[in-house]
Amino acid sequence: GAVVSQHPSWVICKSGTSVKIECRSLDFQATTMFWYRQFPKQSLMLMATSNEGSKATYEQGVEKDKFLINHASLTLSTLTVTSAHPEDSSFYICRAGGQATEAFFGQGTRLTVV
Amino acid sequence: DQQVKQNSPSLSVQEGRISILNCDYTNSMFDYFLWYKKYPAEGPTFLISISSIKDKNEDGRFTVFLNKSAKHLSLHIVPSQPGDSAVYFCAASLRRQGAQKLVFGQGTRLTINP
Repeated sequence: GAVVSQHPSWVICKSGTSVKIECRSLDFQATTMFWYRQFPKQSLMLMATSNEGSKATYEQGVEKDKFLINHASLTLSTLTVTSAHPEDSSFYICRAGGQATEAFFGQGTRLTVV
Repeated sequence: DQQVKQNSPSLSVQEGRISILNCDYTNSMFDYFLWYKKYPAEGPTFLISISSIKDKNEDGRFTVFLNKSAKHLSLHIVPSQPGDSAVYFCAASLRRQGAQKLVFGQGTRLTINP
């Protein structure tokens, strides 16, 4: 299957700082990428859909000014958590590929805000 | 509003026996249903999918059954192996703006006992 690389795998940051997470599709071009968040023992919740060269579409209840998404190329999307707070601590996962049967996920990023 | 539900948080099965994981959904507009396997601190790995116009799809030890009238699907793993121990997520796809959004269930932790 295709490879989607997410970086970093884990990060610890102080409250009030910003953290950038990268999602790269290594062997295919992804016009569409998705960002999910998973709290412990819960489901993967879709945060936003990003399309290369256009603004991301955010799910209801997700603050677009707090979770900045940039999809500047067909192989890279970034999620920046701005002014991070402890309640933002979670597992963030990206998905590349717009078709459900061709969706590939990154390995995830564990964010801990202290 | 939880559109995809996995009501069993955990399941324990003897090695060699059949594992049956269940999933219910509410939205009749879903066009594909997928099963993913997930280990802690990793992204989901695709297992098998089924189109909403089918009622069965088989791939090796994995078979997915879809009952549209009951809005229910199940994943059968036979024979179960210790390496199958993981969290299994059911997901349903909904086409939106050219891409297929995935909605996930809460997951079921499967443990295969030797």
